[in-house]
Amino acid sequence: AQSVTQPDIHITVSEGASLELRCNYSYGATPYLFWYVQSPGQGLQLLLKYFSGDTLVQGIKGFEAEFKRSQSSFNLRKPSVHWSDAAEYFCAVGPPLTGANNLFFGTGTRLTVIP
Amino acid sequence: ETGVTQSPTHLIKTRGQQVTLRCSSQSGHNTVSWYQQALGQGPQFIFQYYREEENGRGNFPPRFSGLQFPNYSSELNVNALELDDSALYLCASSLWTGGYNEQFFGPGTRLTVL
Repeated sequence: AQSVTQPDIHITVSEGASLELRCNYSYGATPYLFWYVQSPGQGLQLLLKYFSGDTLVQGIKGFEAEFKRSQSSFNLRKPSVHWSDAAEYFCAVGPPLTGANNLFFGTGTRLTVIP
Repeated sequence: ETGVTQSPTHLIKTRGQQVTLRCSSQSGHNTVSWYQQALGQGPQFIFQYYREEENGRGNFPPRFSGLQFPNYSSELNVNALELDDSALYLCASSLWTGGYNEQFFGPGTRLTVL
């Protein structure tokens, strides 16, 4: 059965510090992998995605993520966090054969940014 | 270009009642997916509609049903509401072209069941 694990429920970082949010997945094959961000009162916004090829993917807002097949991980990183990055972050997987329309999400990591 | 919109924003119902949530897809999109996001959880896939037909369903009972209209807008209906149905309901639209199609999410409808 598929599963997505985000082991950190809540992370607090100082503005300007680096950030890494962890995501591990369990799936029969390499799925499509996604990171979404959700701000209060907003819908989910896609930060980046991985389908195949280069394992380091760049996204919007200065985020990047690295796919590691051996660890079944897809961790999200940002070198310098801004106060506006405070939000809930979700890792998601999707079956590659169906265009990933039925996404399976992790439970999310809440990011707090302190001055 | 108008994004995905959902109505109402908030809704309060009592156990056993029925509810209808609405979603207007982004211009040019032909596919709508619905997700349920319980408090402190990630969104869970309910079902998807493509060209007015259900095109995939998650692990939700039949009392969760939907419709898609010719203009690709959609409704989510939930009968016999239970307390555990309290959640944020998210709608996402996309343009199905056979390959990957990015989903664009609406802000959601917050349903409270008392």
